[in-house]
This record gives sequence, structure tokens and C-alpha cells, in this order.
Amino acid sequence: SQQGEEDPQALSIQEGENATMNCSYKTSINNLQWYRQNSGRGLVHLILIRSNEREKHSGRLRVTLDTSKKSSSLLITASRAADTASYFCATLTTSGTYKYIFGTGTRLKVLA
Amino acid sequence: AAGVIQSPRHLIKEKRETATLKCYPIPRHDTVYWYQQGPGQDPQFLISFYEKMQSDKGSIPDRFSAQQFSDYHSELNMSSLELGDSALYFCASSRTGLGEKLFFGSGTQLSVL
Repeated sequence: SQQGEEDPQALSIQEGENATMNCSYKTSINNLQWYRQNSGRGLVHLILIRSNEREKHSGRLRVTLDTSKKSSSLLITASRAADTASYFCATLTTSGTYKYIFGTGTRLKVLA
Repeated sequence: AAGVIQSPRHLIKEKRETATLKCYPIPRHDTVYWYQQGPGQDPQFLISFYEKMQSDKGSIPDRFSAQQFSDYHSELNMSSLELGDSALYFCASSRTGLGEKLFFGSGTQLSVL
């Protein structure tokens, strides 16, 4: 089963609104990353948060990490139509292997 | 800046044929990952290499094999293709293999007819 599970699986909002996506995972992690994917294209790295960090910001992105609950959230503020994409979280476990596990993704649609 | 290069971009094969996908990581990146993504699905980890040695294996069928060469490029070989192998195959590379972000190629769209 996938390490990361995301919710909601699909999200539709109006331009200017905030979008929040959640990710839960099962095992201990070294870090958690969020990626964005436009339809049929490669994934693009957005932000990385390490296991000893609780919050991180990058432009309109805010990521939180709660290792006690094994969950993370990605907040996109003041969304734009160009933010329409699928968003995935990926975790690197602490087992020492080179394996990033991706969650099921949230398909975000921002309506102009 | 150089990115991860994958070839071919599109590939059409018949059932039971063989396919070879190539990946050229970003220079000085020492870890390569292969992922398979079916339509509407999340990327599934197949296999990874660190410094040309296989480092981890995911849900990769026995019909698939991969290797990383001395110039760090990697190839994913797929034999006895099945309809269910139709998917987007991504290669990603990273610099240290641990705790660093992944850089993805544009993927190879494989269609098995």
C-alpha cells in the first residue's frame, strides 16, 4: 500500500481562494516533499520539510508537518488558475533505502 | 540548466514485445529512480540506483530489469509486454540519494496494443 495517502482526492475552488491538501503516511520519515504535476507531464518539486521541522514557507506555499500524527498539509494561498494541477506528497523513510513513496495525489482545479 | 532527459518521449509496442527506456540524469547526480504512473494513478516506485548499484526495488515485475551505466545513464528494459504495462514511465535523479529533492524527466508514454 502507498506510504502517503492524500485528501481530498479532488478539490475545486475559485481563483483567489486558499487550497489546503493533506497527506498522511505510515512509517517514520527522514523528510516529506510536495510535488506538482500538470497533466501528463513530469513532477516538479515544490517544497521539502524535514522530520525535525514543523512548518515551512515558500512564496504562496505553506507546509506543515506533524510527525506525531504522521501527517502533513500543503496550503496554497491566493490560488490562481495556473495552480490547476495534481499535487503529490512524497516521503523518504528512515529505513536507509533510496525510495521515495508517493501518495495518491490531490487534483486541484482553480476556476477563473 | 540541464534537466533529466528521457527517451523516447512516446513508444508504441505490441503485446509480448520488448521495450527499452532510457534516462540521462542531471550531471553530478548520483541517484536515479524509475516510476510508473498509470492513467489517473499516483507514481509507483519501480527501482533505484545509487552510484551505479541497485539500491532499492519496488513493485517492479520480473519481466522488467534496469541498470545504470558507467556514464550514469540508466535503462529500463521491459519484456513480454502486457496491455497493463501501458503507462507513463518517469525517471528522476537526485544529488546525494538521501534527503534531496528529485528532479523528474518528462517521462516516456508507453502504449501497449
